[in-house]
Amino acid sequence: DQQVKQNSPSLSVQEGRISILNCDYTNSMFDYFLWYKKYPAEGPTFLISISSIKDKNEDGRFTVFLNKSAKHLSLHIVPSQPGDSAVYFCAASDGNKLTFGGGTRVLVKP
Amino acid sequence: DAGVTQSPTHLIKTRGQQVTLRCSPKSGHDTVSWYQQALGQGPQFIFQYYEEEERQRGNFPDRFSGHQFPNYSSELNVNALLLGDSALYLCASSSPGQVPITYGYTFGSGTRLTVV
Repeated sequence: DQQVKQNSPSLSVQEGRISILNCDYTNSMFDYFLWYKKYPAEGPTFLISISSIKDKNEDGRFTVFLNKSAKHLSLHIVPSQPGDSAVYFCAASDGNKLTFGGGTRVLVKP
Repeated sequence: DAGVTQSPTHLIKTRGQQVTLRCSPKSGHDTVSWYQQALGQGPQFIFQYYEEEERQRGNFPDRFSGHQFPNYSSELNVNALLLGDSALYLCASSSPGQVPITYGYTFGSGTRLTVV
């Protein structure tokens, strides 16, 4: 029973364009949602988070949108840069633990 | 600023053996969580330690056990290894006073365990 799902395993985007990553969840008790970026041979790196009482949070090139009624969140990266090529995980918190999606591999082409 | 340190980085064990993985949290953090990341999947929560006690546990069998020391470092032990235990094991540290969710847990680079 996957409580957090990332339905797109991969995404390819041109440098300078927008990358949109999507995530769906089923548990209404999640109170925070986070996005992590992971390079090979490194641990996940925190990017941005959003509280369940908000619908948008922005940090530089990264914006996360939350639609509670649809149990859906998305991460927008604008503009995309080659260094953004990595695997992106969305995660949800319901206390002390994080529940992760399966990840989306992003490739930004120069 | 030393982040989360995990050792060893790679490990090969035989089915049925036991393994111990180690984690030193980021300076100032007192809470350690362990995650298992199988190939092609997202990390899965194993358990969390705070004040030397297991505070919460995920859906993992009793073969997985842990410990936290007074200096906040932690060990993950896995007994009777199965081929399916082959994965990247990630340690994450946090501090309640830091509002960890806002800033996110800090993850180590992981230990790659291969069971043959």
